[in-house]
Amino acid sequence: GIQVEQSPPDLILQEGANSTLRCNFSDSVNNLQWFHQNPWGQLINLFYIPSGTKQNGRLSATTVATERYSLLYISSSQTTDSGVYFCAVGSDYGQNFVFGPGTRLSVLP
Amino acid sequence: EAQVTQNPRYLITVTGKKLTVTCSQNMNHEYMSWYRQDPGLGLRQIYYSMNVEVTDKGDVPEGYKVSRKEKRNFPLILESPSPNQTSLYFCASRLAVYNEQFFGPGTRLTVL
Repeated sequence: GIQVEQSPPDLILQEGANSTLRCNFSDSVNNLQWFHQNPWGQLINLFYIPSGTKQNGRLSATTVATERYSLLYISSSQTTDSGVYFCAVGSDYGQNFVFGPGTRLSVLP
Repeated sequence: EAQVTQNPRYLITVTGKKLTVTCSQNMNHEYMSWYRQDPGLGLRQIYYSMNVEVTDKGDVPEGYKVSRKEKRNFPLILESPSPNQTSLYFCASRLAVYNEQFFGPGTRLTVL
């Protein structure tokens, strides 16, 4: 099945700093999403982005499907950005939705 | 408000006592799924359903049952829970195959 890798596994930032999170996947996908899991365990949808670029406030994402990677950019980070960021992909008609291992982000005040 | 709901949110039970975790969505979505999240193992799909009366196994189906009698509901059934099913469970739904998936708030299950 499809493999998903995320880097870095852990990231510590000072408030106000920028960061880039990366997601690599091993096969072509028809579905790619970025999620933020907050300290209470809830999964928050950030982007649905199987290809192209999207922006939402301080966050933006780019997926280059032909090269099998996606990037999540966080600018001017805030303490509320802390948590785990997951990339998840779907292929084979979408039945198998595979999550990456996540990037744990800690933003210090 | 468009949402996926799960109940209960927290449950502590004992080995062998049958339980059901309910999941409901109000978005008229066709696809629904169940996932479990474990430290070091990440999120893994248990079962999914493509429509009413159509379900199939995900990556870790052993010890679980599901049913899809109505479009909005997709309950997860543990006939005889064991301690290795202690986990954080998420239900999710999406309109169709290539659409964005939405997750419920999670159910934290402890089996003693």
